[in-house]
Amino acid sequence: KAGVTQTPRYLIKTRGQQVTLSCSPISGHRSVSWYQQTPGQGLQFLFEYFSETQRNKGNFPGRFSGRQFSNSRSEMNVSTLELGDSALYLCASSLEGESGNTIYFGEGSWLTVV
Amino acid sequence: QQQVKQSPQSLIVQKGGISIINCAYENTAFDYFPWYQQFPGKGPALLIAIRPDVSEKKEGRFTISFNKSAKQFSLHIMDSQPGDSATYFCAASSIREGGSEKLVFGKGTKLTVNP
Repeated sequence: KAGVTQTPRYLIKTRGQQVTLSCSPISGHRSVSWYQQTPGQGLQFLFEYFSETQRNKGNFPGRFSGRQFSNSRSEMNVSTLELGDSALYLCASSLEGESGNTIYFGEGSWLTVV
Repeated sequence: QQQVKQSPQSLIVQKGGISIINCAYENTAFDYFPWYQQFPGKGPALLIAIRPDVSEKKEGRFTISFNKSAKQFSLHIMDSQPGDSATYFCAASSIREGGSEKLVFGKGTKLTVNP
């Protein structure tokens, strides 16, 4: 079974630009969540989508947004990029209803803002 | 506000030794406590998880000990091996407050196991 797939793996953007990251969950998984990982702040929850609806949101500004498609694939968008947005962005998927709702992470998208 | 505090930040252990990582939480609504292992360049992978209705859970060389009254939980790695060298994260979530997908992570512990 293929794992969580994220694209692109690496990208460099300039301040003020926007970026879109893509995530394909494990087949059959309907929940997709996004996390930001930085050396200073660690792993922080961005948002979670289930059946194309945002179910939970973390404490990030409105520049961070996401969506989920009918096939459970998800995208997240960051507009007006700031230097502090440089981070590893991790997507995770889970099978709704599974005991403990084990979350499986992808390998992430490394974003560098210059 | 850091809801899950993890210590130590780094840990060096000899091969065959026991690695112990501790976490403390504040939110009594937390009801799911997983541990993740992350190797450089990879995403975190679930190692073992526990719910507060049990005090200990063991899977192979990995054991979680849970103390509900103290709001603490710890990971023990027995017979530590060089291949265990990675960063370990504890986490917590609440079914009532966001579901188990909304994990709050500790800051991580970088474990080095010397051969």
